Amino acid sequence: AQSVTQLGSHVSVSEGALVLLRCNYSSSVPPYLFWYVQYPNQGLQLLLKYTTGATLVKGINGFEAEFKKSETSFHLTKPSAHMSDAAEYFCAVISGQAGTALIFGKGTTLSVSS
Amino acid sequence: GAVVSQHPSRVICKSGTSVKIECRSLDFQATTMFWYRQFPKQSLMLMATSNEGSKATYEQGVEKDKFLINHASLTLSTLTVTSAHPEDSSFYICSASPGGASGEETQYFGPGTRLLVL
Repeated sequence: AQSVTQLGSHVSVSEGALVLLRCNYSSSVPPYLFWYVQYPNQGLQLLLKYTTGATLVKGINGFEAEFKKSETSFHLTKPSAHMSDAAEYFCAVISGQAGTALIFGKGTTLSVSS
Repeated sequence: GAVVSQHPSRVICKSGTSVKIECRSLDFQATTMFWYRQFPKQSLMLMATSNEGSKATYEQGVEKDKFLINHASLTLSTLTVTSAHPEDSSFYICSASPGGASGEETQYFGPGTRLLVL
């Protein structure tokens, strides 16, 4: 069975600072990993995903994440935070089979101060 | 990118009435659609998996007679909340996955529907 743990329900950074959102997963098979962002009262937007191949994946809005199998982690980073990055971020995993539901972490709220 | 729409975006209804929410994949065919429910400040909870042309698969604890799901075509799935009660008030989000022969595993999410039952 798959599961996702997001460490830290709330992360606060200053504008221009490094953003690091942590995600650890548990999976009995090679996982497909995703990061989604949700703005208030909106659906989820895909930031980036890892399926196979290069373990460092780049997404939209300057975000990137690195798949580390040995650490079962898929942490999300951005070198310099913008005010517009303030949102809820969800890490998710599926087993790799198309048509399988996503398993979400509890989410991390990112606050960015000026 | 792939676009998924939901209608309505917001609905207010009286207790005891039924509400239908539509989820459409606008630029791809979705063999599988998923329905999630999200409570304030919480993560998404999977309610059911909907496959075109077959019965939906409901998660444990989700009443299939209360939350009716129909996936009549490759671009449309509907969720009907029957005899809605205030405790059904929530944010309902659908997602669609191309799946099939393409093997596309990514799910694309709709913008969500805010349901308020008075």
